[in-house]
Amino acid sequence: KQEVTQIPAALSVPEGENLVLNCSFTDSAIYNLQWFRQDPGKGLTSLLLIQSSQREQTSGRLNASLDKSSGRSTLYIAASQPGDSATYLCAVPGNTGKLIFGQGTTLQVKP
Amino acid sequence: NAGVTQTPKFRVLKTGQSMTLLCAQDMNHEYMYWYRQDPGMGLRLIHYSVGEGTTAKGEVPDGYNVSRLKKQNFLLGLESAAPSQTSVYFCASFEGRRTDTQYFGPGTRLTVL
Repeated sequence: KQEVTQIPAALSVPEGENLVLNCSFTDSAIYNLQWFRQDPGKGLTSLLLIQSSQREQTSGRLNASLDKSSGRSTLYIAASQPGDSATYLCAVPGNTGKLIFGQGTTLQVKP
Repeated sequence: NAGVTQTPKFRVLKTGQSMTLLCAQDMNHEYMYWYRQDPGMGLRLIHYSVGEGTTAKGEVPDGYNVSRLKKQNFLLGLESAAPSQTSVYFCASFEGRRTDTQYFGPGTRLTVL
C-alpha cells in the first residue's frame, strides 16, 4: 500500500530565506508526483507536476525534484515571501487516477 | 470557464439528517472524485467515478452514496449524518491523462451536531 510522508509538519522562516520541503513515498512505481498549495479555508491549487521521466520541474521561484529510486521528492522555494505562507501537499497517483496525499507541511514566512 | 464548483460552501446538520453535496465541472473531464480532509488524517478518497453512470468506492466510503447521472455533475449523499462525518469535503476532476493534474473545488465545510 502506497504511503506518502511529508517532513516537517510545520515550518516557520523569516522572509527571504530559501527553504526545502520534503516528501517521501513507499512505492516507487509511480508515473508522476504533484505538489499542491492550500491556503486556509480554500481548495487545493496545483503548483508542479513532475513526470517519472523527469528529474526536475520549475515554476518561478519553485523547483521540484523527483528521485523515484529513493522514493523522495523535494520542493525548493527560493527567496521566500509572506505570500508563500500556506500548506503544501505532495501527492502520488494510485489506480484510476486517484491521488494519495501526504499530510502536508504548513509554512509560515514572517515579514 | 468556472472549473470545479461545489454547493453548498458551508452546512450544519443535526445527527440523523440527510443532505446532498453537489460538484460540477465544466472541463468535460471523465474522472471525478470526492475526498474528505480531516486534521491529522490528510485527504482521503470517499468515492470516485470514471465516467457518466459509473461510481466506485474509495478508501472511506461508509455512510456515503454517490451518483453521476450527468458527466459534469458528481453528487455525494449522506443519508443519516453522524458527528464522525464532520469534515471538509473536496471534489476534484481529472481528464485521465498521466500528464494532467487534478482540479479541485473550493470545498464544503460540514458540521454534524
